Amino acid sequence: DVKVTQSSRYLVKRTGEKVFLECVQDMDHENMFWYRQDPGLGLRLIYFSYDVKMKEKGDIPEGYSVSREKKERFSLILESASTNQTSMYLCASRGLSSYNEQFFGPGTRLTVL
Amino acid sequence: GQQLNQSPQSMFIQEGEDVSMNCTSSSIFNTWLWYKQDPGEGPVLLIALYKAGELTSNGRLTAQFGITRKDSFLNISASIPSDVGIYFCAGQGGSEKLVFGKGTKLTVNP
Repeated sequence: DVKVTQSSRYLVKRTGEKVFLECVQDMDHENMFWYRQDPGLGLRLIYFSYDVKMKEKGDIPEGYSVSREKKERFSLILESASTNQTSMYLCASRGLSSYNEQFFGPGTRLTVL
Repeated sequence: GQQLNQSPQSMFIQEGEDVSMNCTSSSIFNTWLWYKQDPGEGPVLLIALYKAGELTSNGRLTAQFGITRKDSFLNISASIPSDVGIYFCAGQGGSEKLVFGKGTKLTVNP
């Protein structure tokens, strides 16, 4: 079974803090994705990565950066957290051999005070 | 970014009833996916469809890839309380990115 794990299920941070969200997948997948999910707005793509050290902006990259130094790990960084970044963050991965299926992690509920 | 039109937004049904939801798009897709999300959890893949006209089942779930490649539906037969959750459709065209519907929230009354 594909397993995507995220470092925290719940996180509370203060405005201005630097926040790291970590995602690890154990299936040697090439592609990894970060989404945020908000009521009424659905899932929105923040960044994705084709492969190690490669990244592309999604639909809402402002205020975020990412890092992919190893194939299994994709990090989302909030350089200076703001209250409007309070959200559910979901990581997903996809292997080139698994057609177009993306597999999601359990999510991190981030609250910025 | 682009989003799919998913309907209905919510459904309230009695246990044992059948459920149907659908997604439409103005664009053609090569793949349609259906996910279920429980409260506080990440989406879980239920069914993947790869060919226009394809009809695929997974237990009590049946999904179809529309012949025009612009729509898909999901049916749940004989609903049970654990079917409660939010169901998302997702489509993929020519890139690695998925386009998502906003979800159908299903409530099943025992």
